Amino acid sequence: EVQLVESGGALVEPGGSLRLSCTASGLAFTIYGISWVRQAPGKGLEWVSFIGGRGAKKYYADSVKGRFTISRDNSENMLYLQMNSLRVEDTAVYYCAKDRLGYCNPGGCEGLDVWGQGTQVTVSS
Amino acid sequence: AIQMTQFPSSLSASVGDRVTITCRASQDIRSDLGWYQQKPGKAPKLLIFAASTLQSGIPSRFSGSRSGTDFTLTINSLQPEDFATYYCLQDYTFPFTFGPGTKVDL
Repeated sequence: EVQLVESGGALVEPGGSLRLSCTASGLAFTIYGISWVRQAPGKGLEWVSFIGGRGAKKYYADSVKGRFTISRDNSENMLYLQMNSLRVEDTAVYYCAKDRLGYCNPGGCEGLDVWGQGTQVTVSS
Repeated sequence: AIQMTQFPSSLSASVGDRVTITCRASQDIRSDLGWYQQKPGKAPKLLIFAASTLQSGIPSRFSGSRSGTDFTLTINSLQPEDFATYYCLQDYTFPFTFGPGTKVDL
């Protein structure tokens, strides 16, 4: 069974940093691109960042560009999101989610088919 | 960035009803759109990908269609477990963008 499990969420003060992790199992991790998606309390879903299977391709939402960094360790089946200069508006549940297809380019990956359960990030003084 | 509008933002329905939700893209995204269902406190679930292809394990009462930059999710014969919030997501180009969501309640 393919599983993604997020961890690392916490309460942090504005301006602080946090690193989220996503542990993958049951899949050929290196062939799949993976996104981070977040959901603020009572709000809709917001796509945050993407990393390609080999880690070379990285994309970010404008709202986090320059503050967040996505990375992966394929030898450990791990995905990371380093979040710096955190703001109150970054408060959300953060999900990792994999592309449905492997070895694909944007527009051909057919959605995000497996999601983790989410990890809560709260930015507050 | 591509903007996704979604309507209605909420609707009330009964078991057995046919429900239609629409997303409109601000530019051509081909058929690179998916529909997701989310229940409170749970992760989203992929229902439909590539505008009209049913994800494995999803009941056939769910269907999707495309007309230009308009995309429709239809739920035939609404079941009790279908009361949830539905989102579209364009995965044509980065940044990916979600619609604001449609809450379907009783």
